[in-house]
Formats: sequence, C-alpha cells, structure tokens
Amino acid sequence: DQQVKQNSPSLSVQEGRISILNCDYTNSMFDYFLWYKKYPAEGPTFLISISSIKDKNEDGRFTVFLNKSAKHLSLHIVPSQPGDSAVYFCAASAWDGDKVIFGPGTSLSVIP
Amino acid sequence: KAGVTQTPRYLIKTRGQQVTLSCSPISGHRSVSWYQQTPGQGLQFLFEYFSETQRNKGNFPGRFSGRQFSNSRSEMNVSTLELGDSALYLCASSPQTGAVPGANVLTFGAGSRLTVL
Repeated sequence: DQQVKQNSPSLSVQEGRISILNCDYTNSMFDYFLWYKKYPAEGPTFLISISSIKDKNEDGRFTVFLNKSAKHLSLHIVPSQPGDSAVYFCAASAWDGDKVIFGPGTSLSVIP
Repeated sequence: KAGVTQTPRYLIKTRGQQVTLSCSPISGHRSVSWYQQTPGQGLQFLFEYFSETQRNKGNFPGRFSGRQFSNSRSEMNVSTLELGDSALYLCASSPQTGAVPGANVLTFGAGSRLTVL
C-alpha cells in the first residue's frame, strides 16, 4: 500500500520552461511534505518542504503547492535548467517526523 | 562539517550469505533512518533509530535488522540474502527528536550498492 504516489515516472521539459512534478498521498495524518532531488551515484538532497497549514512555499526557482483537501501537492521549477535533470522524490511525515515516507520518484530531463 | 558516511560503497554477495552495512551520521544527529531503493519502488522505509532505540519499522521481513550505537553510528544487517535484496541501501541522519514538531529534513549518505548473485 503506497501512501505517497508519483504517477509520472518521467518528465521532459525544454530549458527555460516550467517543470511541474506531481505527488498524491493517501494518509490524512501526514503533516509535513518534502521534496528531494537525487543525482546518479549520490544520495537524495533536500529541496523544499511545506507544512499542512500552508498551501504554498517558495524558495528561489522552486515552489511547492499543497491542496490538502485533494491530498495533492506539486513542485514547480521555473525556469527549468539542464542542471535540474535528476530524479525527484516526494516525501511525507506525520507531526513528529520520525518516519518519512517517500514516493517512487519522477525522473526529470531538462532539454537544452 | 562531515556528511553522512556509508561503508562499504559497493559489495557483491551470493544467495544465502549475510551482509552488514555501516552508517556514520552527521555529528550531533541522533536520528538515523535506513531506506532501500530499487528501480520503480523508490525509497522504501526500513527503520529509524534514535538514542539506540528503534522507534519505527517498515514492512520488511525479519531478515532485515539494525542497531544504533551510543555514538549514534548505525548498522543494518540482512541475513539469508535473496536475489531481490539487490538494491541501493541509503542511510540518512537528522537532528529530529520528535519532541518538537517540524519537517524532518534528512541528510543522506551516498548509499551502499548491494548485488546478490
């Protein structure tokens, strides 16, 4: 039973355009949501997070939107750059944050 | 500040053997989590330790076990290896205590790539 879902295994975007990565979750107990980026042969690195009391959080080119009623969040990257090509993981945890559940990931390719 | 260190980086084992993987967290981080990454499955949660106690466990068989030492270093062990255990095993540490709610930002190591033949 996958509690965090990323239904698009891959996404290709032209450089300079917007990349939108989607994530759905099933557990209503999740309070915090995070996005991680992973390059080959490296561990995932933290990008941005959002708590369930907010609907938007922005950090430079990265913005995360949360629709709690739909149990859906998305990561927007504007403008997309070739260096953004990586696998992006959506993750979620309850209020205590001890156990972080990850989705299967979306492989983003930004084409120059 | 040194990052999360995992050893060994690569290893090859045969079915039926056992393996022990090691993780040294960032200094001061007391929470250590382990994940298994396989193609298409993303990062599957194995377990999380804090102050030498396992606080959370994922849905893996009892062949997968772990422990944490007083210096926060952690090890995970897989016994009676199966072909399906071939994966990248990732360790992550965080300062999260659970006493204060907040987003648990994990810092990952580069992983240990296990191949079972």
